[in-house]
Amino acid sequence: EVQLVESGGGLVQPGGSLRLSCAASGFTFSSYSMNWVRQAPGKGLEWVSYISSSSSTIYYADSVKGRFTISRDNAKNSLYLQMNSLRAEDTAVYYCARGVPAAIAWFDYWGQGTLVTVSS
Amino acid sequence: QSVLTQPPSASGTPGQRVTISCSGSSSNIGSNYVYWYQQLPGTAPKLLIYRNNQRPSGVPDRFSGSKSGTSASLAISGLRSEDEADYYCAAWDDSLSGPRVVFGGGTKLTVL
Repeated sequence: EVQLVESGGGLVQPGGSLRLSCAASGFTFSSYSMNWVRQAPGKGLEWVSYISSSSSTIYYADSVKGRFTISRDNAKNSLYLQMNSLRAEDTAVYYCARGVPAAIAWFDYWGQGTLVTVSS
Repeated sequence: QSVLTQPPSASGTPGQRVTISCSGSSSNIGSNYVYWYQQLPGTAPKLLIYRNNQRPSGVPDRFSGSKSGTSASLAISGLRSEDEADYYCAAWDDSLSGPRVVFGGGTKLTVL
């Protein structure tokens, strides 16, 4: 059974940093691209970042470019999101989502999400 | 303001057929596949339709997707109370400012 479990969320002050993790199990992690998608309270879904299976290709949404860094460790079956210079508008539930090979907007499994709150 | 445009709400009675539209442009829907996600209250999103009109295993055939030009639609027939959820369309966007995934703003479906 495919499982994605996010962790690392919490309360952080504006300008602060946070590192999210996503532990994957139930599939060959190194064969799949991964994504982060977020959802602000009461709002819709917003794609944040994509990383290919080998980390050779990475994309970011304009709203996080230069502040967030996506990475993965295939030996540890884990996905990460390093978030720096956090702003109030980054407050959201952050989901990790598995991507289907060669189909970047095709997210076939999602984690349950971790809440990030940016506030003083 | 979302790149893909969806109506904020839709409604229907049990047994009815409802459709949800998703409008984009040549850089996203017009040249790439459309995906639909269902988000039940308080839960993570779930893949509902992939590659415009394909259903993952386990998704009832009451759900169907279509695409024409720069627009797409999700149709739900035989509406049931458990279909009450938020629905999002998504597509890859070959933007000049950099490739990205774009979502619609979401449509809240109410079963009356």
